[in-house]
Amino acid sequence: AQKITQTQPGMFVQEKEAVTLDCTYDTSDQSYGLFWYKQPSSGEMIFLIYQGSYDEQNATEGRYSLNFQKARKSANLVISASQLGDSAMYFCAFRQNFVFGPGTRLSVLP
Amino acid sequence: NAGVTQTPKFRILKIGQSMTLQCTQDMNHNYMYWYRQDPGMGLKLIYYSVGAGITDKGEVPNGYNVSRSTTEDFPLRLELAAPSQTSVYFCASSTLSGMSTDTQYFGPGTRLTVL
Repeated sequence: AQKITQTQPGMFVQEKEAVTLDCTYDTSDQSYGLFWYKQPSSGEMIFLIYQGSYDEQNATEGRYSLNFQKARKSANLVISASQLGDSAMYFCAFRQNFVFGPGTRLSVLP
Repeated sequence: NAGVTQTPKFRILKIGQSMTLQCTQDMNHNYMYWYRQDPGMGLKLIYYSVGAGITDKGEVPNGYNVSRSTTEDFPLRLELAAPSQTSVYFCASSTLSGMSTDTQYFGPGTRLTVL
């Protein structure tokens, strides 16, 4: 069975600094994909970035990038130049069955 | 382009009542999902569907039923509501074509309280 682990219940970062949110996973599949979503306090789920297991390069999308280490089964989200609007819950999820991790609450400090 | 729509946005039920949460998508996605999110927690998959006429259980299906008669609609039925079903319910859809552009589109959610 596929499983997602996010070990950081909460994180703090100073505005304009970079922050890394951890995501580790367990799967026996050779082909898989991982998503990251943002959920602000308003409640909607916002897609951020996707990484496929066979993608040769780490995914990037604006200020978001993935530090994908396949051998270590980790797909950490890096947010550069944090903004106050980045304060939210962040979820990692498998593409195949859309199982979500428990999430990390990020708070950006002014 | 409406995306994924859910109705109602809010609902209060009494214990033992039944209701149907509606979900519609206009993106012609084959895959549709129902999740629940308890306060301060992540999303848990209730049911999903890979196409019209095909549904399957997720992690927490007990107390719920679904049907998928069309590509667009995926209603979730609660029978005999219980306080443990107090949660925010999200419907979602996706293509899962295997492309890197695959993603899951979420509806705005339905906040359900069972008293």
